[in-house]
Amino acid sequence: QQQVKQSPQSLIVQKGGISIINCAYENTAFDYFPWYQQFPGKGPALLIAIRPDVSEKKEGRFTISFNKSAKQFSLHIMDSQPGDSATYFCAATENFGNEKLTFGTGTRLTIIP
Amino acid sequence: DSGVTQTPKHLITATGQRVTLRCSPRSGDLSVYWYQQSLDQGLQFLIQYYNGEERAKGNILERFSAQQFPDLHSELNLSSLELGDSALYFCASSTGQGVGPGYTFGSGTRLTVV
Repeated sequence: QQQVKQSPQSLIVQKGGISIINCAYENTAFDYFPWYQQFPGKGPALLIAIRPDVSEKKEGRFTISFNKSAKQFSLHIMDSQPGDSATYFCAATENFGNEKLTFGTGTRLTIIP
Repeated sequence: DSGVTQTPKHLITATGQRVTLRCSPRSGDLSVYWYQQSLDQGLQFLIQYYNGEERAKGNILERFSAQQFPDLHSELNLSSLELGDSALYFCASSTGQGVGPGYTFGSGTRLTVV
């Protein structure tokens, strides 16, 4: 049972454009939603995370938008750069007392010049 | 360097064999987590150990087992290997106080079963 659905599977964006990746979850007990960035040959690295008590969190060019009623959250990458080309995973967890991350299936992002 | 060390980086073995993957957590971290990343399933949580004790279990096959030693390093043992066990296996570590910025992944072990 996939509890976190991620789309699209792959995304090509021109340099300077906005990259948008969407995730939807089912488990209403989830209360922490991180995004991870993974480069080939490396493990996932935390990019940005949000808790459901806020609707948006911004860190530099990266923004998470969160819609609790729709059980959806998305990652926006502004001014996308070739160095942002990587695979992005959304994830969710019931933070307190449970440190298991449930991941989406990943989005392979390619930024073209 | 994330501080989480996984060895070996690559492993090729035959069906039916047994392998051991090793993970050394970041200094000071008490929790170790194992994840399997396959092409069709994404990243799946296998098991968590905290200070030597099993704390949480995911969809880990009975052919797989893990342990955490007194020095806090962990080993994931995979036996009676099948072609479908070919995947990237990641270890992560944390202080054990919830998921947050300190929840750090290693670079993984790529297992190929032939």
